Amino acid sequence: GQNIDQPTEMTATEGAIVQINCTYQTSGFNGLFWYQQHAGEAPTFLSYNVLDGLEEKGRFSSFLSRSKGYSYLLLKELQMKDSASYLCAVMDSNYQLIWGAGTKLIIKP
Amino acid sequence: NAGVTQTPKFRVLKTGQSMTLLCAQDMNHEYMYWYRQDPGMGLRLIHYSVGEGTTAKGEVPDGYNVSRLKKQNFLLGLESAAPSQTSVYFCASSAWRESTGELFFGEGSRLTVL
Repeated sequence: GQNIDQPTEMTATEGAIVQINCTYQTSGFNGLFWYQQHAGEAPTFLSYNVLDGLEEKGRFSSFLSRSKGYSYLLLKELQMKDSASYLCAVMDSNYQLIWGAGTKLIIKP
Repeated sequence: NAGVTQTPKFRVLKTGQSMTLLCAQDMNHEYMYWYRQDPGMGLRLIHYSVGEGTTAKGEVPDGYNVSRLKKQNFLLGLESAAPSQTSVYFCASSAWRESTGELFFGEGSRLTVL
């Protein structure tokens, strides 16, 4: 079966750095995506990785290792507005997105 | 900019009632999707469409029907609602599938079935 695993909840301090991990087992691989979802709102696209390595976009970076079936989302200089759920999703060989359950990130002052 | 618009935002149904959720996008996207989101679970694909006049089943299609008569609209129907269909429903669209996969989501429709 296809599976995406990510921690259910994480807590971090404002101004700090946090790393949210995602491991996956899917039928084929056509890219890994991170989305941000604030409570009661729609998910919004954050990043896309299809090759191994680090993609940096401002305070957010996403890393992929296809051989390990592993990705992480790195958030720097945390702000209170970063409190949200972060969804990891993998596009399989049929170009279907398989979604993890999301990691709820709580930022404390 | 409207983007993806879903109606209604909230609805309460009794078991056995029917309803239709409407999704409209103004980005001229080919692909449209209906997902449901339940606590502790990832988004699950109900049905999707790769273009006007086409629909296909996703991961959890039972109890739902869809139609894509116009490119900009994607309708999700529940013919006989059940309590297990209590969920938040998200519509999404994308320019094409074999790409960065960026989906644009509507604000969600919260459905409660009593």
